[in-house]
Amino acid sequence: DVKVTQSSRYLVKRTGEKVFLECVQDMDHENMFWYRQDPGLGLRLIYFSYDVKMKEKGDIPEGYSVSREKKERFSLILESASTNQTSMYLCASSLISQAQETQYFGPGTRLLVL
Amino acid sequence: RKEVEQDPGPFNVPEGATVAFNCTYSNSASQSFFWYRQDCRKEPKLLMSVYSSGNEDGRFTAQLNRASQYISLLIRDSKLSDSATYLCVVNGYNAGNMLTFGGGTRLMVKP
Repeated sequence: DVKVTQSSRYLVKRTGEKVFLECVQDMDHENMFWYRQDPGLGLRLIYFSYDVKMKEKGDIPEGYSVSREKKERFSLILESASTNQTSMYLCASSLISQAQETQYFGPGTRLLVL
Repeated sequence: RKEVEQDPGPFNVPEGATVAFNCTYSNSASQSFFWYRQDCRKEPKLLMSVYSSGNEDGRFTAQLNRASQYISLLIRDSKLSDSATYLCVVNGYNAGNMLTFGGGTRLMVKP
């Protein structure tokens, strides 16, 4: 079974803090994704990566950056957290560079920014 | 207009009922369609892909109507365990032809 893990299930941070969310997958997938999920808005793509050191902006990249130094690990960084970044963050991975491939999700990180 | 639109529900149905959800999408060039299931406070998981010819998996049937740009999910003989949010997923909107998720339709199956 594909396993995607995220470093924290719940996180509470203060406005202005730098926040790191880590995601690891164990199936040698090329593609990795970061989404946020908010009530009424569905999942929105923040950033994705096709390969090590490669990254592409998704629909809502503002206020976020990412890092992919190793194939299995994709980090989401909030340089200066703000209250409007309170959300559920979901990481996903998929096997090949086509949208048709199934995405496997991690359990999510619920982030609260005070 | 939203790129992928779903009725958020909730759909409240008794056990054994048949229930159908529709999802409309705005990009006529989209090629890949899926239904994902998300349980409360859990991550989304692929339920089934949606093919042009339609496809069936047990009690679940998915259909694609390209002319009207919608996909549907039919659940027969609903079980309590079917209670979840069903996400319609379509490709072709954002950079890299990645997937776009609808807001989801919540289903609650009652005894």
